[in-house]
Amino acid sequence: DIQMTQSPSTLSASVGDRVTITCRASQSISSWLAWYQQKPGKAPKLLIYKASSLESGVPSRFSGSGSGTEFTLTISSLQPDDFATYYCQQYNIQDTFGGGTKVEIK
Amino acid sequence: QLQLQESGPGLVKPSETLSLTCTVSGGSISSSSYYWGWIRQPPGKGLEWIGSIYYSGSTYYNPSLKSRVTISVDTSKNQFSLKLSSVTAADTAVYYCASRPRRCSGGSCYQYYFDYWGQGTLVTVSS
Repeated sequence: DIQMTQSPSTLSASVGDRVTITCRASQSISSWLAWYQQKPGKAPKLLIYKASSLESGVPSRFSGSGSGTEFTLTISSLQPDDFATYYCQQYNIQDTFGGGTKVEIK
Repeated sequence: QLQLQESGPGLVKPSETLSLTCTVSGGSISSSSYYWGWIRQPPGKGLEWIGSIYYSGSTYYNPSLKSRVTISVDTSKNQFSLKLSSVTAADTAVYYCASRPRRCSGGSCYQYYFDYWGQGTLVTVSS
């Protein structure tokens, strides 16, 4: 099994802040990584795929980077709509998700 | 744009079989461009992939659930289904169905990320 470790588990930030979330894989997954945003009571929403490709319709303040075992999701200027929980997912071998990062208001 | 909708009982007794159906609209489940998947999320916890299916009937399961999971497809109804047997309270979760792009290269085909999701349905295991 490939384990995905996200950090931090909770992040307190203010509107306008630059926010970075990290996801580490237990073995190399090349660039086969996606990022999702989930709000309470809603299904996850795809933000980034193949580590750095922005899904259509997703604001450009979201960006992804990394390859191999270390990946980051960056929100360049946090907006009120961005307070949510974020998950990474590897789809290199089967699928596993990270434990999630909750971005809350500081 | 694809739309997916889960349906099925919201309450299942321990040791029985959980059965859910996902109805796909806005596209054909027989498309060569997609696999179809199930993901679950226990209350207050993270996401867990359950398994995936291609319209031909090829299935792929999470090893930790494989002995209890069956995913099937009904192309005539544009639906795919999940059965999870011998459920316990640990199977209480919101169950999501989702589509995932299929890409082929060098004679092999691969399942990508999950792009369209259903709204999810809460299934509680309790007597």
